[in-house]
Amino acid sequence: ETGVTQTPRHLVMGMTNKKSLKCEQHLGHNAMYWYKQSAKKPLELMFVYNFKEQTENNSVPSRFSPECPNSSHLFLHLHTLQPEDSALYLCASSPYEGSAGDTGELFFGEGSRLTVL
Amino acid sequence: TQLLEQSPQFLSIQEGENLTVYCNSSSVFSSLQWYRQEPGEGPVLLVTVVTGGEVKKLKRLTFQFGDARKDSSLHITAAQPGDTGLYLCAGAYLDTGNQFYFGTGTSLTVIP
Repeated sequence: ETGVTQTPRHLVMGMTNKKSLKCEQHLGHNAMYWYKQSAKKPLELMFVYNFKEQTENNSVPSRFSPECPNSSHLFLHLHTLQPEDSALYLCASSPYEGSAGDTGELFFGEGSRLTVL
Repeated sequence: TQLLEQSPQFLSIQEGENLTVYCNSSSVFSSLQWYRQEPGEGPVLLVTVVTGGEVKKLKRLTFQFGDARKDSSLHITAAQPGDTGLYLCAGAYLDTGNQFYFGTGTSLTVIP
């Protein structure tokens, strides 16, 4: 148990569906992240939120839309996805304090396994 | 997107053997971390190194950060089946603070 909970654990959706992934952390961390893990590819950083503000969008297609309503919750809204978007989506948090030299540990959830048909 | 190359990509060894995994980049990192990921779980941090030339030990695992802070290695002594997993390095840059970019991963299998 890492303190980061992701739901759902598994999701199957069609290309025309709209769904959302949810991430919740009760560690008191200030930073939250979405990563994508595909077979034979490195973990891809998608979005970073520091103190509820988005500080990184790593060239992610607009069919992925993040939302961070507060420092404990992070959502990834999915719309008109493609089969190549099938992957494990990992949420993480870290105790970011705002300085450039922060080396905070990433605490990951167990991931949401997404299959797009 | 920053590239961290790990080698080897796959490694299968007998229990008791030693092994070394490498993480290389053309960029200088402010810090580098090693994670282990087991099936069905998210990665879990093993160590963080921040100083060029730094060596850290965690039981049978030895981590080294290159002098130029562009590469790192993970050495496991007398591997055990419990060491089986996906080993990932991750680097952060000085000007991007807490944005961590991950390596390609090394899948290790230790055969009893």
